[in-house]
Amino acid sequence: GQNIDQPTEMTATEGAIVQINCTYQTSGFNGLFWYQQHAGEAPTFLSYNVLDGLEEKGRFSSFLSRSKGYSYLLLKELQMKDSASYLCAVENSNYQLIWGAGTKLIIKP
Amino acid sequence: IAGITQAPTSQILAAGRRMTLRCTQDMRHNAMYWYRQDLGLGLRLIHYSNTAGTTGKGEVPDGYSVSRANTDDFPLTLASAVPSQTSVYFCASSKKTGTGANVLTFGAGSRLTVL
Repeated sequence: GQNIDQPTEMTATEGAIVQINCTYQTSGFNGLFWYQQHAGEAPTFLSYNVLDGLEEKGRFSSFLSRSKGYSYLLLKELQMKDSASYLCAVENSNYQLIWGAGTKLIIKP
Repeated sequence: IAGITQAPTSQILAAGRRMTLRCTQDMRHNAMYWYRQDLGLGLRLIHYSNTAGTTGKGEVPDGYSVSRANTDDFPLTLASAVPSQTSVYFCASSKKTGTGANVLTFGAGSRLTVL
């Protein structure tokens, strides 16, 4: 079967750094996505990785290792508004998006 | 409007009733999708449409139907609602080109409760 694994919940402190991991097993690989979803709202696109390595976008970075079936989302200088769920999704070789259940990130002052 | 509009925002429905969730986009995206989101589970694809006039089944299509008469509209119909269809439903669209990232834009969601 195909599956995406990510931690259910994480807690971090305002101003700190947090890393959210995602491991995947899918039928082929065409890219990995991270979305942010605030409570009661729609998911919004954060990042996309198709090649191995780190993609940096402001305070957020996303890393991919295709050989290990592994990605992480790194959030720096955490702000209270970063409290949200972070969804990892992989597009397989049939162009289907397989979604993880999401990681709820709680930021404490 | 800019983006995707879903209606209704929230609805309580008696089991056995028919219900249509509406979805309209103004971005001229060719691909549209319906997902359901349940606590502890990832987004699950119900139905999709790669272009106007075509539709396909996703991971959990049973009990649902869709149509895509034009580019902008993609309604989802529950023919006879059951309590297991209680969920938050998200409509999404993307400019699917076959190359590059297929980034989805989501609507605000429709919260459906079937009693």
